[in-house]
Amino acid sequence: KNEVEQSPQNLTAQEGEFITINCSYSVGISALHWLQQHPGGGIVSLFMLSSGKKKHGRLIATINIQEKHSSLHITASHPRDSAVYICAVTTLNTGNQFYFGTGTSLTVIP
Amino acid sequence: DTEVTQTPKHLVMGMTNKKSLKCEQHMGHRAMYWYKQKAKKPPELMFVYSYEKLSINESVPSRFSPECPNSSLLNLHLHALQPEDSALYLCASSQEVSSWTGELFFGEGSRLTVL
Repeated sequence: KNEVEQSPQNLTAQEGEFITINCSYSVGISALHWLQQHPGGGIVSLFMLSSGKKKHGRLIATINIQEKHSSLHITASHPRDSAVYICAVTTLNTGNQFYFGTGTSLTVIP
Repeated sequence: DTEVTQTPKHLVMGMTNKKSLKCEQHMGHRAMYWYKQKAKKPPELMFVYSYEKLSINESVPSRFSPECPNSSLLNLHLHALQPEDSALYLCASSQEVSSWTGELFFGEGSRLTVL
């Protein structure tokens, strides 16, 4: 069983729609990370959080430690948001190892 | 400077060649990583260097040989690779303070094709 599960695996949205990507994890974590990867490209860190909520522009990330669940929201989605979004966690006893979810491939259609 | 720089961006090599991938960061990070990523899959951890010492080797074949010459540089030496080793190789770095790793910064990756 994967320590980190994401849903959905694939998501297609119309430009302007509100998008939610979910991440559940089964281990004790020191932090949860949301990452973005464009086709053929490197990975960009969007958020690192261990509690509550963070906002950056049109992106919002929330985490519920008790439920071991996090969500990434994109408001007013745009075609340039099309990418793979990856949830990753660092665990309490393996601080410098990251466990990755399988990613959510998002396509935003104009 | 919040960049992790990887070179080359693309590399094509034969199975008998010897080549190297390079990674550089100037953020003062003391943990550096090599990941391998196949298409439509998440990154798979290969090696972790902590304070310039190899701390994790995820059972990677010996045809991949990492090297950390100093705190800013990380190399991955390649020799006698197989076609199935073709993938995107990602370097990353993070601060390392006991069990709190901090944010992970990735390079753009080196896309390797083995013929």
